[in-house]
Amino acid sequence: AQSVTQLGSHVSVSEGALVLLRCNYSSSVPPYLFWYVQYPNQGLQLLLKYTTGATLVKGINGFEAEFKKSETSFHLTKPSAHMSDAAEYFCAVRTGGSQGNLIFGKGTKLSVKP
Amino acid sequence: DAGVTQSPTHLIKTRGQQVTLRCSPKSGHDTVSWYQQALGQGPQFIFQYYEEEERQRGNFPDRFSGHQFPNYSSELNVNALLLGDSALYLCASSFGRGDDRNSPLHFGNGTRLTVT
Repeated sequence: AQSVTQLGSHVSVSEGALVLLRCNYSSSVPPYLFWYVQYPNQGLQLLLKYTTGATLVKGINGFEAEFKKSETSFHLTKPSAHMSDAAEYFCAVRTGGSQGNLIFGKGTKLSVKP
Repeated sequence: DAGVTQSPTHLIKTRGQQVTLRCSPKSGHDTVSWYQQALGQGPQFIFQYYEEEERQRGNFPDRFSGHQFPNYSSELNVNALLLGDSALYLCASSFGRGDDRNSPLHFGNGTRLTVT
């Protein structure tokens, strides 16, 4: 069965600093992995996804993530944090079933200090 | 191009009551999935509808039921509400049954349900 673990429920960085949000997954089949962002009182917006091929995935708003099979990780990074990046971030794995629903981690709330 | 729209945005109900939440998928999408997001948690999959049938279901009791209409819109019904049903209910749409595991979900802004 697939599962997702996000390390750190709350991460705080200074504006301009590196953002690193950690995600580890468990999957018995090649995983399809996603990062979503949720701003207050809004739904989820897709940041990036890994399906097959290149292990370094670039997404919107300057975010990227690297799929590391040996470490079963899919950490999200951004070189320089901006105040507008403050939000909650969710890592998700798509199940192996044909309908492919998502299994989400518990989320990491990112705070950006001026 | 309208995205996923949900109504109402907020709802307050009393324990034991029944509630219906509505979702219109993104234009061109024919599959609707529902998720429950409790406070401080990630979304949890409730069920998915395609061709007006429930195709997959998560670990939710029968009190949770749904429907999909010919225009692909969908309803989520919850009977005999419990305090623990208080959550943000998210609707997500996609194209196809999801056999293409690349097909991303597009989420609505959700309905905030409070059960008192």
